[in-house]
Amino acid sequence: GAGVSQSPRYKVAKRGQDVALRCDPISGHVSLFWYQQALGQGPEFLTYFQNEAQLDKSGLPSDRFFAERPEGSVSTLKIQRTQQEDSAVYLCASSLGVGGLVQYFGPGTRLTVL
Amino acid sequence: AQKVTQAQTEISVVEKEDVTLDCVYETRDTTYYLFWYKQPPSGELVFLIRRNSFDEQNEISGRYSWNFQKSTSSFNFTITASQVVDSAVYFCALSTYQTGANNLFFGTGTRLTVIP
Repeated sequence: GAGVSQSPRYKVAKRGQDVALRCDPISGHVSLFWYQQALGQGPEFLTYFQNEAQLDKSGLPSDRFFAERPEGSVSTLKIQRTQQEDSAVYLCASSLGVGGLVQYFGPGTRLTVL
Repeated sequence: AQKVTQAQTEISVVEKEDVTLDCVYETRDTTYYLFWYKQPPSGELVFLIRRNSFDEQNEISGRYSWNFQKSTSSFNFTITASQVVDSAVYFCALSTYQTGANNLFFGTGTRLTVIP
């Protein structure tokens, strides 16, 4: 596709449920990032992939958060046993290479945990 | 540590007025990149500009202009003759080489409302 796509756009989960959020980056983009954006705040880094390798997961808030990109293209962010504090917009971004290049963002997935 | 400060939380202007959005950054790295993104009500972050730390030349793109000053660690964004379509949240962001991921550090954003 022309841009980064994410699905679902909206997800409502009951506390304790597991959720999976999908990101389709721009074709050929090496780098893929996940960010979390709380209401009224700027996005905060969660994790980074270079092709299929997860090179940085320092931003993941707990071991309930897990991300993968097994074939170096599509990525999935999984949250286990969701909590209310996980409610946020989850943004995916991709860039052509590495090293300070422009990151192109998807529309985000708005997760609401009840 | 990297930090981006956008002190203006919300700004309202009347259409056709000029407006400047402030951004101050902190980093110990000598090589870094600065960005501005626009987030309209639809929610998707739209890239506006990227500058590297070695290029302090100001840039103009249509009604948009950017003033990068290393001496004051600022990267301000000016919209000339604002329009209603400029209403959005604007984020300033910083990326450095020290973090292996080159991830973006964002400010808290400035919500701009242009009143017709």
